[in-house]
Amino acid sequence: DAKTTQPPSMDCAEGRAANLPCNHSTISGNEYVYWYRQIHSQGPQYIIHGLKNNETNEMASLIITEDRKSSTLILPHATLRDTAVYYCIVRANGSGDDKIIFGKGTRLHILP
Amino acid sequence: GAVVSQHPSWVICKSGTSVKIECRSLDFQATTMFWYRQFPKQSLMLMATSNEGSKATYEQGVEKDKFLINHASLTLSTLTVTSAHPEDSSFYICSAPRAGLDTQYFGPGTRLTVL
Repeated sequence: DAKTTQPPSMDCAEGRAANLPCNHSTISGNEYVYWYRQIHSQGPQYIIHGLKNNETNEMASLIITEDRKSSTLILPHATLRDTAVYYCIVRANGSGDDKIIFGKGTRLHILP
Repeated sequence: GAVVSQHPSWVICKSGTSVKIECRSLDFQATTMFWYRQFPKQSLMLMATSNEGSKATYEQGVEKDKFLINHASLTLSTLTVTSAHPEDSSFYICSAPRAGLDTQYFGPGTRLTVL
């Protein structure tokens, strides 16, 4: 059963911030929100993850709502190389060997 | 740099032959690795969990006798597609969790085309 809901596709102009939403209304207390992306014909790439606080790294920012039922991945200055499918996944942490079940993700198109 | 590699990156074979795909963790040990399959314009589908020194765990609907998995060392897992048919043509991806990190590293994938 899918634990997350994402829009199937989004467009964003190059240089602008790309905001990718994810709904995870059934998330449990010990589950984290993870984001991965997959560029065409490549393996998925880890982006960021968080529990309840907002997180930022060199790739992106993750904003999690206070009730933890939704989150937004922000790519602050999108480039053409950010065109990819972005997957939002919820899973328990501290068990890195747990399998990852991918949903359909959001296909992000960065427009020149 | 890449921490999980796959070999080959692409392979073309004739129907009825077997194909072996390797997945290696480059600078860390992985007691568990995962194998995924991805058809065009679809998401990754988990096929099986590869366990070092023991039998693999297959997801429902995945034929264990067709997709043989061997995890003979802490840095290598292999997936053998036996008696391949055109419907087995797909993008095969492996992943490995790294101890101490709460995520997994994915390989670059292997594109299999069965003629």
